[in-house]
Amino acid sequence: KAGVTQTPRYLIKTRGQQVTLSCSPISGHRSVSWYQQTPGQGLQFLFEYFSETQRNKGNFPGRFSGRQFSNSRSEMNVSTLELGDSALYLCASSIEGAATEAFFGQGTRLTVV
Amino acid sequence: AQSVTQLGSHVSVSEGALVLLRCNYSSSVPPYLFWYVQYPNQGLQLLLKYTSAATLVKGINGFEAEFKKSETSFHLTKPSAHMSDAAEYFCAVTNNNAGNMLTFGGGTRLMVKP
Repeated sequence: KAGVTQTPRYLIKTRGQQVTLSCSPISGHRSVSWYQQTPGQGLQFLFEYFSETQRNKGNFPGRFSGRQFSNSRSEMNVSTLELGDSALYLCASSIEGAATEAFFGQGTRLTVV
Repeated sequence: AQSVTQLGSHVSVSEGALVLLRCNYSSSVPPYLFWYVQYPNQGLQLLLKYTSAATLVKGINGFEAEFKKSETSFHLTKPSAHMSDAAEYFCAVTNNNAGNMLTFGGGTRLMVKP
């Protein structure tokens, strides 16, 4: 069974640009969540999508957005990149329900220069 | 609101010694608790989870954790550390009102000395 796939693995962008990250969940999983991991702030929840609808949202500015497609694949977009957006972005998929395991991808390492 | 506190950002043990990583949580409703491990440049892998069944939870690689409601704790233990256990460990909490949103602690980096 294929795991959670995130593309690309590494990305370098210039301040002010925008970026789109992709996440393909495990087959049959309808919930996709995104997290930002930085040395200073640790792991922070960005948002969760379930059946193409945003179900939960973390405390991030509107420059961070996402969407989910009918096949459960998800994308997140960051506009007007800032140096502080440099981070490892992790995607996790789950079947459903808070008690179910979240399976994480290997992440996309974004560097903003 | 929910939160997680992991005491000790770095823990060092000798190979073969007991591993104890501390986690305290705060949740206004019954929590679900998780321990994840992260190796360098990798995503997170679930070690074990507590979902209101048995309070002593056994996970992979010989790890276990005990849910103590009175102490709001969910500490992770392993009787004998192995070099391959060196990694970063994260405690996380969620509940039935939070969908699949996990709130993570700050992480504990475990170092194992030969």
